[in-house]
Amino acid sequence: GDSVTQTEGLVTLTEGLPVMLNCTYQSTYSPFLFWYVQHLNEAPKLLLKSFTDNKRPEHQGFHATLHKSSSSFHLQKSSAQLSDSALYYCARNSGGSNAKLTFGKGTKLSVKS
Amino acid sequence: ETAVFQTPNYHVTQVGNEVSFNCKQTLGHDTMYWYKQDSKKLLKIMFSYNNKQLIVNETVPRRFSPQSSDKAHLNLRIKSVEPEDSAVYLCASSSLRGNQDTQYFGPGTRLLVL
Repeated sequence: GDSVTQTEGLVTLTEGLPVMLNCTYQSTYSPFLFWYVQHLNEAPKLLLKSFTDNKRPEHQGFHATLHKSSSSFHLQKSSAQLSDSALYYCARNSGGSNAKLTFGKGTKLSVKS
Repeated sequence: ETAVFQTPNYHVTQVGNEVSFNCKQTLGHDTMYWYKQDSKKLLKIMFSYNNKQLIVNETVPRRFSPQSSDKAHLNLRIKSVEPEDSAVYLCASSSLRGNQDTQYFGPGTRLLVL
């Protein structure tokens, strides 16, 4: 079925090191992929989403590339900051007319000094 | 800037009681959603409405019922709460123009069932 997999539950990094959070998906067609970020006691908000024209979306230093061959949409950043500590969800749209989002289990990123 | 509003922020109740949560969006969107975020932070869709019509109804217990008076409001009623209903309930909205549309979330209502 259609699903999203985030393999890491917790990623702990030292400030300044690169970030990579994994996301793979199963789909019977080409989906749209999203990364949402949720800081402590706040609402989830969109970080970035895939484009139809294979452009690489970027926001706040984060970027992700949709690789259809490997069904992946990994989130990357060259240098982690303390303020990046948050819960990150990868999500995909189910397609059709209902625009339902299916979320991965989430990866908690903890950046330490 | 907040554009999806939820009340209450927090609610504590006892098993068997009825609760109702409110959600309002000021973004002019035509689609609204309820998600449940459990203690493990799993985020799952419960319902979605488009222009006051139910378009997604996941497998949730019958004691949950969404209510929409207009496209800017979507409330959630739980008829007889149970301990496993303790969670954060997140409301969201989007424009149903395509699969790329961003969903905007409210701050959530945290429910604790004793």
